[in-house]
Parts: sequence; C-alpha cells; structure tokens
Amino acid sequence: GQQVMQIPQYQHVQEGEDFTTYCNSSTTLSNIQWYKQRPGGHPVFLIQLVKSGEVKKQKRLTFQFGEAKKNSSLHITATQTTDVGTYFCAETYGQNFVFGPGTRLSVLP
Amino acid sequence: DGGITQSPKYLFRKEGQNVTLSCEQNLNHDAMYWYRQDPGQGLRLIYYSQIVNDFQKGDIAEGYSVSREKKESFPLTVTSAQKNPTAFYLCATSRTGGNSPLHFGNGTRLTVT
Repeated sequence: GQQVMQIPQYQHVQEGEDFTTYCNSSTTLSNIQWYKQRPGGHPVFLIQLVKSGEVKKQKRLTFQFGEAKKNSSLHITATQTTDVGTYFCAETYGQNFVFGPGTRLSVLP
Repeated sequence: DGGITQSPKYLFRKEGQNVTLSCEQNLNHDAMYWYRQDPGQGLRLIYYSQIVNDFQKGDIAEGYSVSREKKESFPLTVTSAQKNPTAFYLCATSRTGGNSPLHFGNGTRLTVT
C-alpha cells in the first residue's frame, strides 16, 4: 500500500529555535494534510496543500508542497512551548487518508 | 471536536471479553473512521464507513467489528480475537468529496489485562 514517511521522528528544540518536519513519499501525492496532536489529545487539522509548489502560512507555521508533489514540509519559526506535540502529515485521496508516523516536538523553555 | 463524542474516555477490560467503543457525531458528516494509535506511533486505520449500512476494512481490521445503522453512530467492537487490544482508539468523521479534513473525537484509551 501507499506509504508516507516523516523525518525526524523526534525533535528537541530550545524555545525560540526554529523547527522543520518533512513528509516524503515515493509516489506522487494527490493532496497533503497536516495535523497536530497535543500530548494526551487528539489530532487537529491544520492545513491542506493541493497544488504543486504551494506555500501556505499560518502565523509562525509555513507549509510547503514540493514541486513534484512527492514531499511536503512544515516549518515553525521561533518555537514556543505551546508548539509541543506530534505533527502528522496525511496523504488524502478521495475518502482515504494515509498518515505518516509523525514527528514529536519537544520545546525546552 | 465538539461534534464528535467518544465514550468512555478510559475503559478497562479483562482479556477474553468483547468491548464496544461508542462514537456519536452531530456534524452531519457521511464518512466515519476508526483509528488505532499505540504509544509513540502514528494512526492506523481499522474500519471506515462512507454511508449508512456500508463499511470497509482498513489496514488492521482483524479482531474488530463495526456497524453503521445510523448516520450519527459508528460503534467499534474490540473482540477477544484481537491479540493486542490495549491502545488509544480515535473516531473521526469527514464530509464526502473534495478531500475534506478529518475531525477527531477525544478518543478512548482501552486497557485490557
């Protein structure tokens, strides 16, 4: 079946540092969605990317979709303790969703 | 999400017992999903349903069963055949069409001893 990989698995940063997680696939992705799951919580939808090369921003978060639609990234500028959690990418095609394993972010105050 | 209710939040069962996890939604979404999440792991699809009275197996359906008799409800039964049932179970819904995002419930943490 289709697989979506994410790196790194874990990332520890000092508050104020930047953070980036990458989502990769060996096949062309139709769409990419990003979710955030706080510790003990449930995943919450952040954004969807559809077009090749698309870039979207949400305050300190920047999402990119690769030109070949085989990868995506989420970049957080100047992390805060509220950014702690696990970030998942998910490929969507129709009503199906394939999730990456997630990147767990820890932010040290 | 406020529109999806999973109960209970914590559930404890003895090995060999079947247990049913509840998922109710008032978002009027057609599609409903069940995911399993193990500690430090991603989400694995158990079952999904796109319409009432119809559902499909996901990647790890063995040892689980579902029903979709009403649009609002998609209960998951963890049977005694499931070898490692202890996990965090998440129910989700989405609108059909247009790659709509998933809305998740708060989850049920099942512990089987």
